[in-house]
Amino acid sequence: DTAVSQTPKYLVTQMGNDKSIKCEQNLGHDTMYWYKQDSKKFLKIMFSYNNKELIINETVPNRFSPKSPDKAHLNLHINSLELGDSAVYFCASSARYSPNEKLFFGSGTQLSVL
Amino acid sequence: AQTVTQSQPEMSVQEAETVTLSCTYDTSESDYYLFWYKQPPSRQMILVIRQEAYKQQNATENRFSVNFQKAAKSFSLKISDSQLGDAAMYFCAYRSSYTGTASKLTFGTGTRLQVTL
Repeated sequence: DTAVSQTPKYLVTQMGNDKSIKCEQNLGHDTMYWYKQDSKKFLKIMFSYNNKELIINETVPNRFSPKSPDKAHLNLHINSLELGDSAVYFCASSARYSPNEKLFFGSGTQLSVL
Repeated sequence: AQTVTQSQPEMSVQEAETVTLSCTYDTSESDYYLFWYKQPPSRQMILVIRQEAYKQQNATENRFSVNFQKAAKSFSLKISDSQLGDAAMYFCAYRSSYTGTASKLTFGTGTRLQVTL
């Protein structure tokens, strides 16, 4: 069973469209994250949720809106997609919101904006 | 703000040999955690090893070990008896010990490791 699953794995869309990426974890974790990996492989945190509460919002444009309907899900909705949004988006989870906790990552969603 | 630097964009090692990947970081904090993550071509991010800054003893996980030099703010990863499956991008990462908004995982830019026969 996949611990952290993201859908879709690949997403190709036109500029200006709205799209969503879904993430689910079956590990019983309290904390979930979204990370963005750009074309140079640089990984940067976007959001962190703990028990459905937003903990970190790392100066991400408000076109990006995370939604956590429950502890096991953290979805990412992106409005008015731009070319610069093309990247790989990773969902991750950890047991607690604690610095030494191991993060479990999904396999990523490769978003290509044309 | 904390920064993590990996000065080696690419490294190569022969199978069964040992390789060391470098990582330095900048922080004013005294307590924190350091990690090495591996990203194979499958894109999955996998935790390789973790080190608590308050521990002087270097962490080891089977063929993987670190050389943690707190004063020098250096955290290198040594891979012994390299295997073909070790070929991947390796990311060094820092996380503050403070919970709350400061506690985010900050990654370096990665080192691509090639393993040759």
